Amino acid sequence: DVVMTQTPVSLSVAIGQPASISCKSSQSLVGTSGKTYLNWLLQRPGQSPKRLIYLVSKLDSGIPDRFSGSGSETDFTLKISRVEADDLGVYYCLQGTHFPYTFGAGTKLELK
Amino acid sequence: EVQLVESGGGLVQPGRSLKLSCLASGFTFSNYGMNWIRQAPGKGLEWVASISSSSSYIYYADTVKGRFTISRDNAKNTLYLQMTSLRSEDTALYYCASFNYGSYWGQGVMVTVSS
Repeated sequence: DVVMTQTPVSLSVAIGQPASISCKSSQSLVGTSGKTYLNWLLQRPGQSPKRLIYLVSKLDSGIPDRFSGSGSETDFTLKISRVEADDLGVYYCLQGTHFPYTFGAGTKLELK
Repeated sequence: EVQLVESGGGLVQPGRSLKLSCLASGFTFSNYGMNWIRQAPGKGLEWVASISSSSSYIYYADTVKGRFTISRDNAKNTLYLQMTSLRSEDTALYYCASFNYGSYWGQGVMVTVSS
């Protein structure tokens, strides 16, 4: 199984400051199609998860461009250029390339 | 408006069965692979099962293989999860979701396995 190692476990950030979350996979996430199915999700308290980014770096509709995704093969990063109050919650990386699909353990973003 | 509405959860005794449903609307359900994801209380997300758009491909997590069955009825825009031999560790909020292409998530349905 692909292990997704997500760091840090928690992140305390002041409004307006940047944030960065890392996700490393135990094997390459490049699929047979050549696509890399690495997603970033945000789960706000009491809500369902919401996808922010897919295929490593593609921003979902309605997601502000303060969010960006980068990386390749086994090393991926989610960056928030300027944290806003609405960004609080738990962030998960999710690989959808290899079965079983696997999630990172989550990063809780809190306000400093 | 895109909606995924799960139903069928509840309190069930260990060893018993339960069937979850997920009714989709607002998008072309038959075009998308679908998944069941679960989240135990206070824990992270765990992938449970996937089914391709035409039901040709089905995959399960080892933790549920042989006990859970995923299926779909594209004519009814509905995804199912038949759960048998339930264990206490199956207690979780169960989401139906599609995420590799379109991103659609339900609000979740709670399953509690307890005597």
